[in-house]
Amino acid sequence: GAGVSQSPSNKVTEKGKDVELRCDPISGHTALYWYRQRLGQGLEFLIYFQGNSAPDKSGLPSDRFSAERTGESVSTLTIQRTQQEDSAVYLCASSLDQGSETQYFGPGTRLLVL
Amino acid sequence: GENVEQHPSTLSVQEGDSAVIKCTYSDSASNYFPWYKQELGKGPQLIIDIRSNVGEKKDQRIAVTLNKTAKHFSLHITETQPEDSAVYFCAARGGRGSTLGRLYFGRGTQLTVWP
Repeated sequence: GAGVSQSPSNKVTEKGKDVELRCDPISGHTALYWYRQRLGQGLEFLIYFQGNSAPDKSGLPSDRFSAERTGESVSTLTIQRTQQEDSAVYLCASSLDQGSETQYFGPGTRLLVL
Repeated sequence: GENVEQHPSTLSVQEGDSAVIKCTYSDSASNYFPWYKQELGKGPQLIIDIRSNVGEKKDQRIAVTLNKTAKHFSLHITETQPEDSAVYFCAARGGRGSTLGRLYFGRGTQLTVWP
């Protein structure tokens, strides 16, 4: 079946603008994760959704970052008042449920803040 | 929380040689250790994983070993090929409380296989 998809694949924005990044998880996967990958770095956990439970937002770096998920489908990561240090690849992953260990990643959204 | 260290950051080998990447973790409750391969411009792809009740796992040219006592695990690639060139990430899955389910990643190893 289809894998995790993300859009847009690339986004260039000006400092101070808001951006929205979208993730479509694998159908039937109840767990969804967002990660940030800065150039040459590992993946940094941002937020985690599991079914209808309250999300784990403990990885969000500031209150400019927020994310929502509609049921067990699409998720949107929003960055308000973007800063240059927000430039990174934003990766989404999904897994069957919280107990499932394997996470499947999307191709990422490359964000550049000028 | 969990802390994962990965070495080396870069690794160059000749085609046909073996490559070894090593990782350590800090939380003894971590119980799942995946390895991901990331090619340029793509998302990470799972290549092999190991659970804490197993010491070694092999899949064709790729093997992973786990030493729970020492809290380290390694990726071994034999008979390397140019298409193995990529960034490899190790990760550990949080095993307790608020860390449960999260993957904690190493900083990656850029593997280059020269023909």
